[in-house]
Amino acid sequence: KQEVTQIPAALSVPEGENLVLNCSFTDSAIYNLQWFRQDPGKGLTSLLLIQSSQREQTSGRLNASLDKSSGRSTLYIAASQPGDSATYLCAVTISSNTGKLIFGQGTTLQVKP
Amino acid sequence: SAVISQKPSRDICQRGTSLTIQCQVDSQVTMMFWYRQQPGQSLTLIATANQGSEATYESGFVIDKFPISRPNLTFSTLTVSNMSPEDSSIYLCSVVTGNEKLFFGSGTQLSVL
Repeated sequence: KQEVTQIPAALSVPEGENLVLNCSFTDSAIYNLQWFRQDPGKGLTSLLLIQSSQREQTSGRLNASLDKSSGRSTLYIAASQPGDSATYLCAVTISSNTGKLIFGQGTTLQVKP
Repeated sequence: SAVISQKPSRDICQRGTSLTIQCQVDSQVTMMFWYRQQPGQSLTLIATANQGSEATYESGFVIDKFPISRPNLTFSTLTVSNMSPEDSSIYLCSVVTGNEKLFFGSGTQLSVL
């Protein structure tokens, strides 16, 4: 059974720091991996999607990497800003039914001005 | 991308009653997905709603408790029946776009007294 774990559960950093969020999954047979941002009362926003054949994806200050063989992904946030404060969720898809995701419990990030 | 409108945004309900959550998408989609996020937990898929056929439920979720309608390609409802305090959660609908990213509605915060 696929399980997704995110470490740390919470993180507080001063503005401007670069930071890394970690995600691990127990079964390397994934179809793709997505990172989401969750803001209270606003649902989830997809940040980056990495196909199983890819190693990384970048969008602005965000970079996500994928190491399928070790069952790990990282989300790197450069030059963090207070507006980055949110909960970040990692999720994997295990089949071509790409709406069926298995989520981690998330990392709650606070960026202090 | 997709714009998803979900109603109600929040509700407080009495034990034993039912609540129907509506989800409207701004484009036609084959499948819609209903997720639940219990307090402090990760998101869990309840069911996949297909237009023209019965919904497909995940392990631990049954149609009698969570009946789903899918009358057309842009709309779906999820009913939480005979509610108990354990049903207090955030319920979210979602769709997959052509690039396989998952888009979510803003969620329904349900509290059962």
